[in-house]
Amino acid sequence: RKEVEQDPGPFNVPEGATVAFNCTYSNSASQSFFWYRQDCRKEPKLLMSVYSSGNEDGRFTAQLNRASQYISLLIRDSKLSDSATYLCVVSSNTGKLIFGQGTTLQVKP
Amino acid sequence: EPEVTQTPSHQVTQMGQEVILRCVPISNHLYFYWYRQILGQKVEFLVSFYNNEISEKSEIFDDQFSVERPDGSNFTLKIRSTKLEDSAMYFCASSGTGGADTGELFFGEGSRLTVL
Repeated sequence: RKEVEQDPGPFNVPEGATVAFNCTYSNSASQSFFWYRQDCRKEPKLLMSVYSSGNEDGRFTAQLNRASQYISLLIRDSKLSDSATYLCVVSSNTGKLIFGQGTTLQVKP
Repeated sequence: EPEVTQTPSHQVTQMGQEVILRCVPISNHLYFYWYRQILGQKVEFLVSFYNNEISEKSEIFDDQFSVERPDGSNFTLKIRSTKLEDSAMYFCASSGTGGADTGELFFGEGSRLTVL
């Protein structure tokens, strides 16, 4: 089983749509969870941390289910500028960050 | 806004040559990392560095790789004898926290290495 698994997509959605990405991780000892965004041929940038209680940042909502080892990201009211690859990232028990393959989102006018 | 800077942005080298990739992490950060991303693949951990020594390294980080922080500001990755499969984007990252409390990693823009 991959350490961090994501559906690579691509997800093609119209502007204004709501889209959800899922991610599963294999190490139950993982402590920290994140969603990073990566634009084409650019560096990853932190989108948001993911907390057990779930957290929201504007149009973005992240949720964590430790029992199922499952993380989600919901984007509401998609904008053209949301087009990117979304990376699910999980820390190992030593602190290194393990990246998923990424899910590609393309928002179309 | 403080940022991680990397040089060169792109390097082309012949197989078997030595390459040094340079990074200047954010000045008050203590934890430093190298990651790589082969085109079309995921971001992979290479090595973490703290308190002037390697904290952890991956299977990829074999004897051909080394890291150094020679002068308190630069953080370098050296590949002694490059192979074709070393062609990738190499990202340097730094963080103010690490270990079990690893927080946000700040990435540089990357150094693209092409081995011919």
